[in-house]
Amino acid sequence: NAGVTQTPKFQVLKTGQSMTLQCAQDMNHNSMYWYRQDPGMGLRLIYYSASEGTTDKGEVPNGYNVSRLNKREFSLRLESAAPSQTSVYFCASSEVTFWTGSGYTFGSGTRLTVV
Amino acid sequence: TQLLEQSPQFLSIQEGENLTVYCNSSSVFSSLQWYRQEPGEGPVLLVTVVTGGEVKKLKRLTFQFGDARKDSSLHITAAQPGDTGLYLCAGGAANQGGKLIFGQGTELSVKP
Repeated sequence: NAGVTQTPKFQVLKTGQSMTLQCAQDMNHNSMYWYRQDPGMGLRLIYYSASEGTTDKGEVPNGYNVSRLNKREFSLRLESAAPSQTSVYFCASSEVTFWTGSGYTFGSGTRLTVV
Repeated sequence: TQLLEQSPQFLSIQEGENLTVYCNSSSVFSSLQWYRQEPGEGPVLLVTVVTGGEVKKLKRLTFQFGDARKDSSLHITAAQPGDTGLYLCAGGAANQGGKLIFGQGTELSVKP
């Protein structure tokens, strides 16, 4: 049981380049999320998808786009990377009623450096 | 905007000591969750507390949800080097549209 799989694990981009971070879950969860983690700032929500076919902005959506390709897959795209987007990116998934106990299942992250 | 403040941000202790991490908010949450994150990995859920005043124990870890459901604490008894990691609290509510609010995290280092 793989849980949440993120690719790639590491990436270095030049300013202005584009890339897509991939995320797939095999737990039949309805909801999926993209977070970025920076030192001292905890986890900040970029975008989320409450169910297949829907996406919504989170706290820090500028510079990013997302696609909920199907129930399993949720991708994050950086159209024109900037040094401020250097961070560790985490994908997560959950049941709709996550707050009652099951919580989020996270992937192992993508460490992105923009030079 | 709902916020969760964790304290302390950093904690370095010796093996065998006790410690408490706090998670505070001015907002009411339906539940509070605690996650632990090791270097190079994603956070992993430790516990969920849903009732005001609830106390849950997980071996040497004790979690408490405040009576007013605005705060929570994590107490570790006789810390071990294996407890080292980043501890995150997160608040959830039905009116948050399916999103968790995370605290900034507490970086714990337990030295042998």
